[in-house]
Amino acid sequence: NAGVMQNPRHLVRRRGQEARLRCSPMKGHSHVYWYRQLPEEGLKFMVYLQKENIIDESGMPKERFSAEFPKEGPSILRIQQVVRGDSAAYFCASSPKAGSAYEQFFGPGTRLTVL
Amino acid sequence: GQSLEQPSEVTAVEGAIVQINCTYQTSGFYGLSWYQQHDGGAPTFLSYNALDGLEETGRFSSFLSRSDSYGYLLLQELQMKDSASYFCAVRDSNTGKLIFGQGTTLQVKP
Repeated sequence: NAGVMQNPRHLVRRRGQEARLRCSPMKGHSHVYWYRQLPEEGLKFMVYLQKENIIDESGMPKERFSAEFPKEGPSILRIQQVVRGDSAAYFCASSPKAGSAYEQFFGPGTRLTVL
Repeated sequence: GQSLEQPSEVTAVEGAIVQINCTYQTSGFYGLSWYQQHDGGAPTFLSYNALDGLEETGRFSSFLSRSDSYGYLLLQELQMKDSASYFCAVRDSNTGKLIFGQGTTLQVKP
């Protein structure tokens, strides 16, 4: 039973380019969370999605960032026109259901470096 | 809003016991979780306390006092591999999203 998968593991982009980060949840999990971790800091919630729906995007920057979780395929976090401040580790986590009672399982993360 | 505070660094020797404290301020409280993260790795779930008291899982225990808005993670018989960052986190009751503390870096010395 594969865990949460993320790719790529490392991504290098120049300022102004686009970054696409992918997350495949654990089998049977339909709830996906994205978190960002800046160096030497804790994880910060970005967005929570269910299949084809964004449920909570209160942690997403207002511009350049978007997320989706289509009916088929992985969840995608998209960052347009990247800037150096976007350099961070981006983790996704999945759970079988929503709510406080369910543990989230984290993927290995994508480390984005913006040159 | 929600905020959590934990010490930034703790150092201990192999075989010792260490306690990492976490205090929180939340608009609604639905449990305190603890995660371990090794350098360059993913956060790994360690424990979850929804009610007051002590939860024990092997060498790790976690404690919660809701009246004091306080919890701690206790690591016993420390091993070198326990050197990592430890995060406390609270859960949102509706969505389950996690709000993390800044993390405590534990260094275990021989």
